[in-house]
Amino acid sequence: DILMTQSPSSLSASVGDRVTITCRSSQDITYKLAWLQQRPGKAPKSLIYAASYLQSGAPSRFSGAGSGTEFTLTIHSLQPEDFVTYYCQQYNTYPYTFGQGTKLEIK
Amino acid sequence: EVQLVQSGAGVNKPGESLTISCRTSGYTFTSYWIGWVRQMPGKGLEWMGIIYPYNSKTKYSPSFEGQVTISADQYTNTAYLRWSSLRASDTSFYYCARQASSSPWDYFDYWGQGILVTVS
Repeated sequence: DILMTQSPSSLSASVGDRVTITCRSSQDITYKLAWLQQRPGKAPKSLIYAASYLQSGAPSRFSGAGSGTEFTLTIHSLQPEDFVTYYCQQYNTYPYTFGQGTKLEIK
Repeated sequence: EVQLVQSGAGVNKPGESLTISCRTSGYTFTSYWIGWVRQMPGKGLEWMGIIYPYNSKTKYSPSFEGQVTISADQYTNTAYLRWSSLRASDTSFYYCARQASSSPWDYFDYWGQGILVTVS
């Protein structure tokens, strides 16, 4: 299975900050990387697909970049509702796999 | 509007069989792969497998193959996840999710609300 490793696992930041989460894959997954957001007690929600494309309805302060084995999710100007957990997922090779998650906390 | 509504949550006993459902609406059910994701309490997301309702072709994670069965009913636009014999370790949240196209290599764009299966 392709191992997806997110860093950091947790991150403290303030409202208005810009933060970046990194996701590394153990094999080349080209551009087939998605980012998801999950609020406590809720289903995950798609944010970014194909590494850098914003899912319809997702706020424009979210952006993604990368290809191959290294990817980033950047949140520009954090809002209070952004302090939740984020996951990356590769969909290049079966079985699809997720990163372990990054929990964003208010400083 | 695309919607995935899950049902079947509850408390079950070890050894029992169980089927949980994901009823879809707002799109052509047979044109998109649909899958299942497990999330154990307080843990991360695990991809279980997907099905293409048009021809019932499935792809499973090796971690779940043989442990669960994924199926779909074109007439009710519903996907299913079935266990023939539950274990305590199956206690978890389960989410269904739709892939974004008819390609088997795509991301999940819409998710069900999730349900909790408890085996005790």
